[in-house]
Amino acid sequence: ETGVTQTPRHLVMGMTNKKSLKCEQHLGHNAMYWYKQSAKKPLELMFVYSLEERVENNSVPSRFSPECPNSSHLFLHLHTLQPEDSALYLCASSKEMNTEAFFGQGTRLTVV
Amino acid sequence: AQSVSQHNHHVILSEAASLELGCNYSYGGTVNLFWYVQYPGQHLQLLLKYFSGDPLVKGIKGFEAEFIKSKFSFNLRKPSVQWSDTAEYFCAVIFYNQGGKLIFGQGTELSVKP
Repeated sequence: ETGVTQTPRHLVMGMTNKKSLKCEQHLGHNAMYWYKQSAKKPLELMFVYSLEERVENNSVPSRFSPECPNSSHLFLHLHTLQPEDSALYLCASSKEMNTEAFFGQGTRLTVV
Repeated sequence: AQSVSQHNHHVILSEAASLELGCNYSYGGTVNLFWYVQYPGQHLQLLLKYFSGDPLVKGIKGFEAEFIKSKFSFNLRKPSVQWSDTAEYFCAVIFYNQGGKLIFGQGTELSVKP
């Protein structure tokens, strides 16, 4: 149990589908993150929220759309994805921006 | 952009061997340093961290790391590995001048033979 819960754990979607990934943290943290983990590549930071405001968007394609309705929840809305978007998507949270992050178990996404 | 580099992609050791995994980061002023581990099928877990003070930090499961500022390095060590240490290890750095983002190296896969 990490304190950061992601759902679903696995997701298969077609290129025309719309789906959402959910992340919830029970640690009272103020910052939340989305990372993409692909094989043989470093973890890629996608989005950062601090106190529910987006502070970073690392040139992520618009087919990925984050939402942070409150400090405990983070969503990643997906639409018209490509097969190369297949990866493990990790959510993390930290007490503040410069402190260690705690990770969820990830959502394994397959785009067909 | 600041970056983090891990020297080895895959390391294979026998049980009881000593381990050292290299990590270097690009110059970027003040940094916080981390090592994470990902066991097969599990989430990323924090092994140890360095913010300030003694550059030799001890973490969980007998791991330690040494921050050498002049070399921009933060190498991970363990005197005697066990089969259960088989996992992927990630070095990560927060560069203060990049707004506190946690940047990861590409990871090192460690396989320990029983």
